[in-house]
Amino acid sequence: DGGITQSPKYLFRKEGQNVTLSCEQNLNHDAMYWYRQDPGQGLRLIYYSQIVNDFQKGDIAEGYSVSREKKESFPLTVTSAQKNPTAFYLCASSPSYNSPLHFGNGTRLTVT
Amino acid sequence: GENVEQHPSTLSVQEGDSAVIKCTYSDSASNYFPWYKQELGKRPQLIIDIRSNVGEKKDQRIAVTLNKTAKHFSLHITETQPEDSAVYFCAAERNSGGYQKVTFGIGTKLQVIP
Repeated sequence: DGGITQSPKYLFRKEGQNVTLSCEQNLNHDAMYWYRQDPGQGLRLIYYSQIVNDFQKGDIAEGYSVSREKKESFPLTVTSAQKNPTAFYLCASSPSYNSPLHFGNGTRLTVT
Repeated sequence: GENVEQHPSTLSVQEGDSAVIKCTYSDSASNYFPWYKQELGKRPQLIIDIRSNVGEKKDQRIAVTLNKTAKHFSLHITETQPEDSAVYFCAAERNSGGYQKVTFGIGTKLQVIP
């Protein structure tokens, strides 16, 4: 349903190439997040942002970069420095403290 | 940083039985504990949440309990149905320096056997 849009749904890249995953929200939420989901490892936090032009590293930020130039957009770049980039990536947003996350449909990235 | 442990990783129950999933957290500053359900191929969606000033919350067949002293919280599903089959994630939110960091458990795959 509407709210958070991730694109594309599937993405294929060659090893050594950088790739950018898109995340756009029209919910007017302040906080945005990127998580990586691997089988048996749950959702691991990559980066998060509370306001425009500011963001924090999560638990597994190495090999990733983000930007927050607009409130509604929080793109994630997977760089060639990321050792195991193949995964399912989920973007989420939240309106305020102690409020649930709203997730996008995810992007499945395959790097060969 | 926060560490959230969740167990069991898999759970099979007969239809109509109850299911319980348990989580522990490490950071006493965490004050918000949501539970998400993720069906196969879909996004996680909130099913219930609890704040640190509350010990228990119930919504129809689903309930969550929180023990702040022991730093653990649990999800209880009663009268399970096949459509409850999914992966369930617990999470803990900590507010630090104006940022709200949300840490997830590894997930529990629940199978309800008809």
